[in-house]
Amino acid sequence: KQEVTQIPAALSVPEGENLVLNCSFTDSAIYNLQWFRQDPGKGLTSLLLIQSSQREQTSGRLNASLDKSSGRSTLYIAASQPGDSATYLCAVISSGSARQLTFGSGTQLTVLP
Amino acid sequence: EAGVAQSPRYKIIEKRQSVAFWCNPISGHATLYWYQQILGQGPKLLIQFQNNGVVDDSQLPKDRFSAERLKGVDSTLKIQPAKLEDSAVYLCASSIIPGTGELFFGEGSRLTVL
Repeated sequence: KQEVTQIPAALSVPEGENLVLNCSFTDSAIYNLQWFRQDPGKGLTSLLLIQSSQREQTSGRLNASLDKSSGRSTLYIAASQPGDSATYLCAVISSGSARQLTFGSGTQLTVLP
Repeated sequence: EAGVAQSPRYKIIEKRQSVAFWCNPISGHATLYWYQQILGQGPKLLIQFQNNGVVDDSQLPKDRFSAERLKGVDSTLKIQPAKLEDSAVYLCASSIIPGTGELFFGEGSRLTVL
């Protein structure tokens, strides 16, 4: 059974810092990995999707990397802003026929002005 | 393009009562998911539909939870009778085809069971 872990559970940084969020998964047989953002009381917004054959994806100030063999992914946020404050969730899609999405518990990020 | 619609946004009930949540996915999306998100945790898949057929309901507590997707469009999730531990946000998501990762989520229905 796939398990996804995110460390740290919470992070507080001053504005302008570069930061890294970590995600690890137990079963390397994944189809892809996705990072989501969740604002309080809201649903999930997809940020980046990395296919299993890819090493990284970039979107603006966000860069996500994937090391399937070690079961790890990182989300790098450059020049953080108060508007980046949210919970960031990592999810993996298994390679099975159902392509089930398994989520981590998230990292709650606070960027202080 | 309209997003995934869910209702009600909030619901407070007493234990042993019943509740139903409704989801309207993005037009043309064949796959629909219901997730349960308990405070401080990541979403947990309850059930996945492909059109109006169930693909995966292995984590759905079938003694109290039921879901249907008639005509392969809208879906309802029902809880009867509710327990205190059912307090959570119920998220609906849809995608054009399974496994692409392009999931689109609704804003969720927050359930409080007293």
